[in-house]
Formats: sequence, C-alpha cells, structure tokens
Amino acid sequence: GAVVSQHPSRVICKSGTSVKIECRSLDFQATTMFWYRQFPKQSLMLMATSNEGSKATYEQGVEKDKFLINHASLTLSTLTVTSAHPEDSSFYICSARGQQETQYFGPGTRLLVL
Amino acid sequence: GDSVTQMEGPVTLSEEAFLTINCTYTATGYPSLFWYVQYPGEGLQLLLKATKADDKGSNKGFEATYRKETTSFHLEKGSVQVSDSAVYFCALRETSGSRLTFGEGTQLTVNP
Repeated sequence: GAVVSQHPSRVICKSGTSVKIECRSLDFQATTMFWYRQFPKQSLMLMATSNEGSKATYEQGVEKDKFLINHASLTLSTLTVTSAHPEDSSFYICSARGQQETQYFGPGTRLLVL
Repeated sequence: GDSVTQMEGPVTLSEEAFLTINCTYTATGYPSLFWYVQYPGEGLQLLLKATKADDKGSNKGFEATYRKETTSFHLEKGSVQVSDSAVYFCALRETSGSRLTFGEGTQLTVNP
C-alpha cells in the first residue's frame, strides 16, 4: 500500500522556539494533505487541509499564524509550530490523499515543548 | 453536522475471545465508513471500509457491515490475538467532501 512518512518522529524543544515537521508521500502524488493533532487517549482533531500549490484551509479555532502549513509539492507538506509553548506538546499526524479516495496516514510526530 | 459515536473503552479481553466494538454515525448524506487501527506510538492504518449500505468490509479477521437502517458500522472479530491490542477508530467521510470525521477511539487490550 501507499506509504506516508513523517520526520522527525520525536522532537523535544525549548519554549519559544519553532519546530518544523515534514510529511512526505513516498510512492504517490498527494494532491491533498491533512494535519491532525491528537491528545493522549483522545481522537484526532483535524487542524488543516492543504492542497498542493494553494493556501491551507484551517479548522475553526486553529491559529494559522502559529501552525504554518506549506504544501509546496505533490509529495511534501510541512507543518511549522512557531514559538512553541508547553501546551503545544502533542502528537501530530499527517495524512495524504492522491487520486484514489483513500487517505494514508503518517506514523506521527511526538512534540514535547519544555 | 456529521458525527461518529463509538462504545467507550477501554476493552479488555482474553486471547481468542469474541470482539465487538460498536460504532454509530450521524450524517446528512450517504457516507463512506471506515475503521482505522492505531498501534502504540504509531499513526493510523486503514483496517477496513465500506462505501454503501449492506457492504461488508473485512481484513485480518475483522469485519464490519454498513447498516443504513441502524446507522451503524460495528467492528467484530471472532477470535482476538494479543497482537490486536491497539486503539480502534471508526470514521466516516461524506460523499461530497474529503474530510474524515473520527469517533473517540476505543482502546483494546488482549491478554494472553
């Protein structure tokens, strides 16, 4: 099946710094990518949807200036958490969808902000 | 709006026991329905799906039938294994859009 990778898998940073998370579709072209956030023992919360070459669409309550999303190519999307704070600590998961309907999920990135 | 409701967990079973995880949904149209599985420390993997009423999705011994009359998509497995321990998410996607709506997830622990 299709593969989606995320990098890094785990990151620890100091409060106030920015962190970039990459999401890549390895064997298909992802016209749409999604970014989710998952708190412990909770479901996934959709943060934003991005289409290649256009601005991301953010869900209500998600700060677009804090969570910068770039979908520069058909195989790469990045999420940058700017000026991270401890409350931003979470598990961030991307997913990608190509011509087929199925969404493929990345393995997730665990962010810990100290 | 769309919503998915799963039975509350956690669910703890002994190996070879029968598993049912209930899932019901609310949608305005005719959604596609999915079950995803999340193993510890990993992202979600598609387990099975059904795209129309009365369809049965199946994979790795798991089954779920799309029941329009009861708006349900319950997950079942006849004999669980320790390796099935994970969090299971029911989800739907409206036909008109591409976003997935997830249930809260159900933690399953299978003991040897």
